[in-house]
Amino acid sequence: QSALTQPASVSGSPGQSITISCTETSSDVGGYNFVSWYQHHPTKAPRLLIYDVSKRPSGISNRFSGSKSGNTASLTISGLQPEDEAHYYCTSYTTSSTSVVFGGGTTLTVL
Amino acid sequence: QVQLVESGGGVVQPGKSLRLSCAASGFTFSYFGMHWVRQAPGKGLEWVAFVSHDGSNRYYADSVKGRFTVSRDNSENTLYLQMNSLKVEDTAVYYCAKVMVRGVLDYWGQGTLVTVSS
Repeated sequence: QSALTQPASVSGSPGQSITISCTETSSDVGGYNFVSWYQHHPTKAPRLLIYDVSKRPSGISNRFSGSKSGNTASLTISGLQPEDEAHYYCTSYTTSSTSVVFGGGTTLTVL
Repeated sequence: QVQLVESGGGVVQPGKSLRLSCAASGFTFSYFGMHWVRQAPGKGLEWVAFVSHDGSNRYYADSVKGRFTVSRDNSENTLYLQMNSLKVEDTAVYYCAKVMVRGVLDYWGQGTLVTVSS
C-alpha cells in the first residue's frame, strides 16, 4: 500500500477546475515539502508538472498549480482541456532520501 | 534537447535475465543522478532504482533488491538495469528518468516493455 493516497479518479468538464489530493499516510515519507506531481498519458513519457509542492518547471502552463495543507498536497488544474485527460501521480521521497514514493495515481476524465 | 531512449526490453522466461539500457543526450550525463521507474499492466508507477551521478550510491525498491543492479557508464552516457531472476510480476514498462534535484524527475524516456512469461 502506497504511503501517498490519491483518489482513484476525478472528472470535470472543459473550462472547469479540478483538484487532486495526495495525503501522506506513512511516517516514512519525510520532507513533505518536497511533493512533486506528474502527468502521464498512456504510451507517452511521464511529464513533471509541479515540484517542491508548488513550483512549476519551465514550459508548464500556469493552469497547473500545487499547494499543501497539513499532510495533504493538492494539484489544481484550471480551465480544463481535453488533452488534460491523463493519469496524475504525486511523489515524495523517504526520510532517508534513498527512494522515491509514488502515490497510487488518479485518472482524470474530461467529460 | 534532453533525450532518454530505453532499449533492451522483450519477452523472457521466469528465472532468466535481461539488461535494459537508457541512452542519454542533450545534457551533461555525469552531473545527474538517474532513476528507473516501472509500470505494470493496469497499475500505477513504481520506483525501482536510483544511481548517483558518479555511480557511488545505488538504492533499490524492496521488490527488486538482490535481483536487479543499476549501473552507468558516464563515458558512454548510458544507464543500465541488469535484471536477474526475473519474475512474472516484473512484467512492466520500464522508464529511465533524470534527476533534477532530490527525487524530482524532470525528464523521462518513452519506456521499454519487459514481459516475463513462460
